[in-house]
Amino acid sequence: SQQGEEDPQALSIQEGENATMNCSYKTSINNLQWYRQNSGRGLVHLILIRSNEREKHSGRLRVTLDTSKKSSSLLITASRAADTASYFCATDNMYGNKLVFGAGTILRVKS
Amino acid sequence: DAGVIQSPRHEVTEMGQEVTLRCKPISGHDYLFWYRQTMMRGLELLIYFNNNVPIDDSGMPEDRFSAKMPNASFSTLKIQPSEPRDSAVYFCASSPTGSGNQPQHFGDGTRLSIL
Repeated sequence: SQQGEEDPQALSIQEGENATMNCSYKTSINNLQWYRQNSGRGLVHLILIRSNEREKHSGRLRVTLDTSKKSSSLLITASRAADTASYFCATDNMYGNKLVFGAGTILRVKS
Repeated sequence: DAGVIQSPRHEVTEMGQEVTLRCKPISGHDYLFWYRQTMMRGLELLIYFNNNVPIDDSGMPEDRFSAKMPNASFSTLKIQPSEPRDSAVYFCASSPTGSGNQPQHFGDGTRLSIL
């Protein structure tokens, strides 16, 4: 079963623009992670945010978490063609075991 | 450092045949996860191991699926007999702990096609 649901399902932007993807989940969590998947490859971990954190940065990535709304967003600034990929959020549960992945957002960055 | 290694990368076989997928986790990682990815159902956790012991196999779809981890550096996922609806990409991932506060490291998957 999918815990996280990403929005939008697909996003197409021009190189240099910012891309924002959202994730909503249903039950309380300890941690939320974002992953990237390039075509034909496995998932690659991008960033982890704990339930007591509200915002986290890593390079051009910014993640926010609102536990009251059970939602998170991933912002990629100054996008590049190489950012073209699918992006997934993944949540654990209050017991901390297992990750449940959302359906993903397909991002296309046009050069 | 070597990442998670899966083999084969692609497998095409006929319905009814036995299929064996292989995974070598990252050395030192105590947890190993098997996932299946399809367009319809997304990424689903099938089973995971801790220190070679299966902990949760509630995601294994049917008795036709089985998984083993005979040692810390090798795991297999077997489908017998295979059916067309088993066609999917199967991923193996490993992690130092099973906690959600650690990233999982994925292999590049096995793309399985059952004709």
